[in-house]
Formats: sequence, C-alpha cells, structure tokens
Amino acid sequence: DAGVIQSPRHEVTEMGQEVTLRCKPISGHDYLFWYRQTMMRGLELLIYFNNNVPIDDSGMPEDRFSAKMPNASFSTLKIQPSEPRDSAVYFCASRTLRDASRKLFFGSGTQLSVL
Amino acid sequence: QKEVEQDPGPLSVPEGAIVSLNCTYSNSAFQYFMWYRQYSRKGPELLMYTYSSGNKEDGRFTAQVDKSSKYISLFIRDSQPSDSATYLCASENTNAGKSTFGDGTTLTVKP
Repeated sequence: DAGVIQSPRHEVTEMGQEVTLRCKPISGHDYLFWYRQTMMRGLELLIYFNNNVPIDDSGMPEDRFSAKMPNASFSTLKIQPSEPRDSAVYFCASRTLRDASRKLFFGSGTQLSVL
Repeated sequence: QKEVEQDPGPLSVPEGAIVSLNCTYSNSAFQYFMWYRQYSRKGPELLMYTYSSGNKEDGRFTAQVDKSSKYISLFIRDSQPSDSATYLCASENTNAGKSTFGDGTTLTVKP
C-alpha cells in the first residue's frame, strides 16, 4: 500500500479564497482523522470519521471549516473563506482498531500558507 | 489545561547520551500510551506503544508508563544523530476512536 496520500503538498493562497485539501486513506482502514499542526498549538485534532461518518468535529475551529468523506477512499477538508491564521500544516491520518497498537498512519501533510 | 502535557524542550544532547522524554496526562480512563517520532517536513510515525502500566523495550528505546502518577516516559539509550526529531506522546482510552497528543519535544543529538 502507498500509505496515506494527501494533496496538494503545498498550497499558497490569498485571504478570502477557498481551499480544499484532499486525502486518500489506507485501504481497509475504517478511521480517518484530520489534524492541524502549528508551532504555537502543536498537533490539533480537527475532526475524525468512522466508516465515513463524522464522529467528533469539536476541534473544527469555526464554520469556515468543513470536512466530508463521501466514500471509504476519499476525504476533503475545506476552508472557506481562508484567513492568514489558518496557515499551518494539515495532516490526514487513518487507522483500524483491528491493529492492537492503534497506530495512526499519517500522510506527508499539506503546508498551507494564506497571505 | 490539556489532557496530555509534554515537556516542551527543545533538548540538545551529545551523541551517546541517554535521553529522557516525559509527559503527564490527566484522564484516568487513558489505557493506551504511544510515542510518535516526527522528522522535519514529515508526518509523525509510531515509535512505540504500551497498554496500561509498565515498561516496554525495543532496541535502544524504552517506554514507561506509571498510571499511579499519570506519567509517561520515553528513554533513548546511546542516542544517535539520526534520533534528532520531534517526539510526541499520545494517549487514549479503550473506547475512544481518537488519540490525544502532547505538543512534542524537539530533540537534537549532536555528533
């Protein structure tokens, strides 16, 4: 398996624009997570899905953020409108609890810069 | 207060030193304890995990959990420059679908 695949790798946009981040989890994994990482706040959980259903979105900062998982192999995180404070690295991760280690497999991240 | 607090660092040690990385947690329901390693510009990768209290050893790495004091530790023996990375502790309870992460400690091992 190629691992968790995220796109784009880098995104530079202007304030007010819509940003869409994409994630393909590992096949067979039934949990998908979106995290945001900054120096100031560390690694923050934004939302997670189980079997394509959103379970906990309490980490989504505000209504400008939305996430979808239309099927088991694809998820998006959308920011509309984007703001400079949204600049961060966004990670997608997947896992299955059939794995006793509860290991999270992270993608390489999307470096988002909002100017 | 965060559920998982981690010594912020950064930490700089000479090659060959023993490194101790530490976290505390507040949720008594946490049963799973993990350490992730994150290299620059990469996603975190699981290094070790333990269930409940006790020690677990894997090569130069030892993970230790003391549930009575809610303390999590990772020890690295004979540290190498290739160990230079950010280390994140994480915890979760049995029924949770999610892990709670510490903020990470950045370690530099100098040759």
